[in-house]
Amino acid sequence: AQSVTQLGSHVSVSEGALVLLRCNYSSSVPPYLFWYVQYPNQGLQLLLKYTSAATLVKGINGFEAEFKKSETSFHLTKPSAHMSDAAEYFCAVTPPMGGNKLVFGAGTILRVKS
Amino acid sequence: GAGVSQSPRYKVAKRGQDVALRCDPISGHVSLFWYQQALGQGPEFLTYFQNEAQLDKSGLPSDRFFAERPEGSVSTLKIQRTQQEDSAVYLCASSLTSSEAFFGQGTRLTVV
Repeated sequence: AQSVTQLGSHVSVSEGALVLLRCNYSSSVPPYLFWYVQYPNQGLQLLLKYTSAATLVKGINGFEAEFKKSETSFHLTKPSAHMSDAAEYFCAVTPPMGGNKLVFGAGTILRVKS
Repeated sequence: GAGVSQSPRYKVAKRGQDVALRCDPISGHVSLFWYQQALGQGPEFLTYFQNEAQLDKSGLPSDRFFAERPEGSVSTLKIQRTQQEDSAVYLCASSLTSSEAFFGQGTRLTVV
């Protein structure tokens, strides 16, 4: 069975500082991996996805994530935080080539201080 | 349509009442998913359709939950005899391929 662990339910950074949100997964085969962002009272918006191509994936709004098989990790980073990045972020995994349902982590709320 | 549309956005139900939640997927998307998101948690899978066929309903928490997609487009999630633990945001997502799902804004159900 697949699972996702997001370390830190709340992360607080200053505006302009590095954002690092951690995600580790458990899967018997290399999975597809996703980061979604959720703003208050909104649905989930896809930030980026890893589907077995390049291990460094660039997404929207300046975010990127690196797939590290040896560490079973897919951490999300952004060099410089903006106030508008304040939201909840979810890491998710799905088996490749079928079995489309996503398994989500518990989420990390990002707070950006001015 | 431009995106996945869910209605109603908010629903308050009295305990024991039946509710029906609607999802309009993106036109042409064959796959449709329902997820339940409890307060402070990540979404959890409920059920999956490919066109009109319900291929996976392993996440439905009880036989009070029922989903249908009779014509392979609009889907309805029905909850019978609602209970307080059913209070959550119900998210619908649709996809064309296995690599990206597009989510609606969700329906927030509150059972009082």
